Amino acid sequence: AQKITQTQPGMFVQEKEAVTLDCTYDTSDPSYGLFWYKQPSSGEMIFLIYQGSYDQQNATEGRYSLNFQKARKSANLVISASQLGDSAMYFCAMTLNRDDKIIFGKGTRLHILP
Amino acid sequence: DTAVSQTPKYLVTQMGNDKSIKCEQNLGHDTMYWYKQDSKKFLKIMFSYNNKELIINETVPNRFSPKSPDKAHLNLHINSLELGDSAVYFCASSQDIQLAGEQYFGPGTRLTVT
Repeated sequence: AQKITQTQPGMFVQEKEAVTLDCTYDTSDPSYGLFWYKQPSSGEMIFLIYQGSYDQQNATEGRYSLNFQKARKSANLVISASQLGDSAMYFCAMTLNRDDKIIFGKGTRLHILP
Repeated sequence: DTAVSQTPKYLVTQMGNDKSIKCEQNLGHDTMYWYKQDSKKFLKIMFSYNNKELIINETVPNRFSPKSPDKAHLNLHINSLELGDSAVYFCASSQDIQLAGEQYFGPGTRLTVT
């Protein structure tokens, strides 16, 4: 069965430091996609970054990068130079290309300290 | 045991019909949510219920009405379905209110309006 695991319920990081949010996944499908979403207190889910299972290079979007280690089945989100506005819940998610199903982790609450 | 379950998983219906999607959580959580996911994987929060009281309604048309008979259930009723309602709808639950804690997502319900 497919599964996403986020082992850090909450994290506190000093402003301007880099932060890594952990995500591991489990699937036997060879074709899948990995996502990260940010959820601020308003509740909306903001798409941050996507990594396909066949992508050779790690995905990057501005200050966000995805550390994709396929053999370890991990897809950690790295935020460089953290800002106060980065304080939010972060969800890792996976889709299976064969059926377009999406599975979410439970989320990590990130607090950026001034 | 399934933590958050939704029924049905797939729903195909015609424009103008009224339909309901059911959600149940067996985690003893106080808060439940409904999200809508569009074709680009973006998620938007629709409703949040805490102990049977609505606490978020993010500019959702009033054709959508959440119904919570008890804190373990949050059903989504949709009147006069429109083509644009086609999407995947996710139910989720969390122990905390105000989107502060881990959220457990259901498997999603794919609604197709023809």
